[in-house]
This record gives sequence, structure tokens and C-alpha cells, in this order.
Amino acid sequence: RKEVEQDPGPFNVPEGATVAFNCTYSNSASQSFFWYRQDCRKEPKLLMSVYSSGNEDGRFTAQLNRASQYISLLIRDSKLSDSATYLCVVNGLGFGNEKLTFGTGTRLTIIP
Amino acid sequence: ETGVTQTPRHLVMGMTNKKSLKCEQHLGHNAMYWYKQSAKKPLELMFVYNFKEQTENNSVPSRFSPECPNSSHLFLHLHTLQPEDSALYLCASSHLPRGGFRGEQYFGPGTRLTVT
Repeated sequence: RKEVEQDPGPFNVPEGATVAFNCTYSNSASQSFFWYRQDCRKEPKLLMSVYSSGNEDGRFTAQLNRASQYISLLIRDSKLSDSATYLCVVNGLGFGNEKLTFGTGTRLTIIP
Repeated sequence: ETGVTQTPRHLVMGMTNKKSLKCEQHLGHNAMYWYKQSAKKPLELMFVYNFKEQTENNSVPSRFSPECPNSSHLFLHLHTLQPEDSALYLCASSHLPRGGFRGEQYFGPGTRLTVT
């Protein structure tokens, strides 16, 4: 089983729609969780951290379910600029405090 | 602009060459990382330097040799690489208080390496 697993997509979604991604992780001892965004041929950039209580940043909402070991990202009112690959990232898999483990990413394309 | 720079941005090298990748962070961070990103695969952590000390070597072949002379600079020395080493090599940095805060990492733009 992969340490961090995501549906690679692609997700092709019309502008203005709501889209949700899930990610599962294998190690129940994982400590912290993030969503990163990677545009084509660019470096990954932090989109948002994921807190146990859930958190929202504008049109983006992240949720963590420790019991089921999954993380979700919801994008509301999607914009063309949201087109990117979204990387689920998990920290603290027993190797050290700053060893991030990345999923393969979910590719999202927003269609005009 | 993320505050992490990498040079060169593109590199083509033969299997017998020796080259080095350079990373510099301007963010005052104390931890630096090398990652490898290949097509259709997740980012793979290669090396971690924490306060200039290497704390992680993720089973990387010895043809990759990291060097961290200070907390702002990180090098990856390459020699006798194989074609399968062709990938995007990303440098990242983060701030690590002594208590081990698990924060975000800032990535450089990467070096696109092609081994012929």
C-alpha cells in the first residue's frame, strides 16, 4: 500500500463548479497534513495546512479524518486559475520531524 | 518568488560527466532538502540537512553526493549518473525550531536534469 494515495485524475470541471479530492495515508502515527499545489513545470507551493478541526481559506476547505486516515480538499466556485496538480502531503511518518511524504497528485483542469 | 533559488535551471550531462547543482535560500531557514521528481511518480525525498547536519539519507545511490557548507547553501554533486536519473531535482527549505515544529517547506524552481 502506498504511504499517501490520491486519485491521479484528471478531473475536468466546469468553471464555477465545486470539486472535491480525497487522499488516504497509511501510517496512523502521521502528525501533520498539508495540501500543496503544483502548476505545470513549476515547483510545489503550500496551499493550506489541514487541521483536525477542519479549516477554510476562502473558497478552499480542508478536512482531516484521523479515524479513517483520509484528508479532503474542497474547492468551491472554481476558477480557471485553479487548474493545477494538487498534492496531498503527510508529515511525521517515523523518520523525523520534517520528512514530508507526497502523494502523486491529482490533476485538475477547470474548463471555461 | 519563493526565496529559494536553484542553478542551473536545465542541465544535460553525459554518464561520465561530473556536475553540481546549487541551491540557495534567502529566508533565514535552518533546514534544507533535496527532492527528486520523476514523471508519474511522487516527489521523493533524497537528503535532509538540519542545522547543516545531514539527518536523512533516503537510500540514495552514492553517485549523488550532497554538501551543505552553511544553512543558506546546499549542493548536489553528480557523477557517473544513469539515464534513469533524468528528472526534476527540487531543493526546499524550512524553519525548524529546536522543538521540531512541523511547518511548511518552500521549494525552489528546480533543475531539469537530462542524462544522455
